Amino acid sequence: DSGVTQTPKHLITATGQRVTLRCSPRSGDLSVYWYQQSLDQGLQFLIQYYNGEERAKGNILERFSAQQFPDLHSELNLSSLELGDSALYFCASSPQRLAGHNEQFFGPGTRLTVL
Amino acid sequence: SQKIEQNSEALNIQEGKTATLTCNYTNYSPAYLQWYRQDPGRGPVFLLLIRENEKEKRKERLKVTFDTTLKQSLFHITASQPADSATYLCALPGNQFYFGTGTSLTVIP
Repeated sequence: DSGVTQTPKHLITATGQRVTLRCSPRSGDLSVYWYQQSLDQGLQFLIQYYNGEERAKGNILERFSAQQFPDLHSELNLSSLELGDSALYFCASSPQRLAGHNEQFFGPGTRLTVL
Repeated sequence: SQKIEQNSEALNIQEGKTATLTCNYTNYSPAYLQWYRQDPGRGPVFLLLIRENEKEKRKERLKVTFDTTLKQSLFHITASQPADSATYLCALPGNQFYFGTGTSLTVIP
């Protein structure tokens, strides 16, 4: 158990809908990262927050947004969903601001299926 | 931006042998390089971090090398066991965080 929790575990929805994925980092970790993993794309970095502020941005679509709250939990909002958004979404946390300087602890993931 | 290449083909080895996985990157050399293990349907698990000024890092049966001239890292598992069967990912920091597509390793009893 990494100490990172993600809810829900599974989500099935229809095209055009909006969903919210939730992540609680390990106790004491200030950085939260979001990743998308699909079969043909591998693990793709979406966005990082550090202590409530956006720290780094990857190839995140404009239909996607995220935020980190004062209690350090984070939410990833996906809107106008398309079939191609079906994937595993992982959240990870680490103590520090700079990615790569220390390990990231990954949650169990949310499997999103868009029908 | 950074492009990472790992052995695209699955690697099958006999139990007890040494598995060697390759990670090549194409652009700037990062200050750190990490290796993760991922089991099907689960989140990656951190294994090792190596800094650019470290040529080699060991942890139990694992060994990682980092050659900034070749822009390559090698990941070795010695005395491999069936429980080592998984996908292994290398990861590099940059203006974002880049993961390779991973190499699937199967250790045959």
